[in-house]
Amino acid sequence: EVQLVESGGYLIQPGGSLRLSCAASGFTVSLNYMSWVRQAPGKGLEWVSLIYSDGTTYYADSVKGRFAISRDNSKNTLYLQMDSLRAEDTAVYYCARMSGDGYKGFVEDFWGQGTLVTVSS
Amino acid sequence: EIVLTQSPGTLSLSPGERATLSCRASQSVSGSSLAWYQQKPGQAPRLLIYAASSRAAGIPDRFRGSGSGTDFTLTISRLEPEDFAVYYCQQYDSSRTFGQGTKVEIK
Repeated sequence: EVQLVESGGYLIQPGGSLRLSCAASGFTVSLNYMSWVRQAPGKGLEWVSLIYSDGTTYYADSVKGRFAISRDNSKNTLYLQMDSLRAEDTAVYYCARMSGDGYKGFVEDFWGQGTLVTVSS
Repeated sequence: EIVLTQSPGTLSLSPGERATLSCRASQSVSGSSLAWYQQKPGQAPRLLIYAASSRAAGIPDRFRGSGSGTDFTLTISRLEPEDFAVYYCQQYDSSRTFGQGTKVEIK
C-alpha cells in the first residue's frame, strides 16, 4: 500500500529554519518524481518544489534560494529544508508522488496528509 | 507564469444535477498539460483528471475533463453526495500553477 507521512511542521519565528520530512512506503522515492505543494489556511494550492528521479530540482519563484528539496534513498524519505522563513510561508505542506510519462506529463497522483508550518513571532 | 482562472467561484447544485466547472489559462497550455483535483475539508487533494481528459485510476466515469489551449472544463454528469467539495485545476506545461478553486456546494 502506498503511503506518505509528512512530519516536522512547527511554530517557528520569522527568519528561522525548519526541515520537513516525508516518509514513503509502498514505492521507492528515488525512482519517482516527487513534489511539495502547500496550502495557506483557507487558501488554495501552491506548488513549491519538485525533484526528478535523476536528482534535478525545481522551485517556485516564491521559495527559490530559501528552500531546498532532497531525499535520503536509504530511508526512502523526501525532505524540504526551509530557511529564512516568512509569515507568508505559513501553510500546510503536502508531499506528493508524481506519476506519468513523457507524452502526457507528470502529475501529483498520491498525496500525504500534510504537516502544518506556522511562521509567527 | 501561466495564471489559471476558475469559474464560478462557488456552484450551488442539488444531488443528481450536472456540474460544469471552467478553468481558463492566461496563455496556451501546450500538450493539454492540465489536471483537475478534488479536495474535501481536512483532506489532501485527490487527482481526478490529467492530460486534460484522462481519468485517474479509480475515478468514476461521471467525471469528465475536456478542452485544450486556454479553455478547459470539468464536468460531473450527476452529482453524488460525496462530490460536494472544492475543485482545483493545475497546469504543468510551464512550471506548475493551480487555479484558485471552485467550491461545489449543496443547494
